[in-house]
Amino acid sequence: GAVVSQHPSWVICKSGTSVKIECRSLDFQATTMFWYRQFPKQSLMLMATSNEGSKATYEQGVEKDKFLINHASLTLSTLTVTSAHPEDSSFYICSALDPLSTDTQYFGPGTRLTVL
Amino acid sequence: AQSVTQLDSQVPVFEEAPVELRCNYSSSVSVYLFWYVQYPNQGLQLLLKYLSGSTLVKGINGFEAEFNKSQTSFHLRKPSVHISDTAEYFCAVSEGGTSGSRLTFGEGTQLTVNP
Repeated sequence: GAVVSQHPSWVICKSGTSVKIECRSLDFQATTMFWYRQFPKQSLMLMATSNEGSKATYEQGVEKDKFLINHASLTLSTLTVTSAHPEDSSFYICSALDPLSTDTQYFGPGTRLTVL
Repeated sequence: AQSVTQLDSQVPVFEEAPVELRCNYSSSVSVYLFWYVQYPNQGLQLLLKYLSGSTLVKGINGFEAEFNKSQTSFHLRKPSVHISDTAEYFCAVSEGGTSGSRLTFGEGTQLTVNP
């Protein structure tokens, strides 16, 4: 089946620093990837849709200057949390759309971000 | 706009008992329906999906779900659960026939299987 990886799996950083999270589709090409945020014991909240070669589409209320998304290739999308603060601490999950699997999103294992 | 309601936030059951996790959706257009499972501190794993055709869909790990258009439901079932099925289960819907459409998730159901 389709495999999506994320790196790192967890990261701890100081307040004010920036953190980059990578999302890769390992065995398929994904023109579209999605970034989600999940708070403890809650559902996934879509942050943005990332399309290869174009600007990401952000959901209402998500600061595009704070959460920078780059989708430079068909297998890699990155999310950079700029000037991170403790309230940005969360579980970030990406997914990739497999075009050969009719609208099915395959999810990465997630990245636990803790901002001190 | 689409919405998904998972009627039970927590479902405790005993091992080898049957289980049903309920999911209702609302949408003004045709939809695709999905069930995902999430184990602690992990991403989501696709259990099964309904796109079209037979309304009874079989997935991995012995799970199945039935699409009921008139009741706008997509309940997940397993005839006999194991301890290892303990996890969070999410029902999700996307707009059918639209490539790359967004998923709308329910709030999740925590299934706890007790010995």
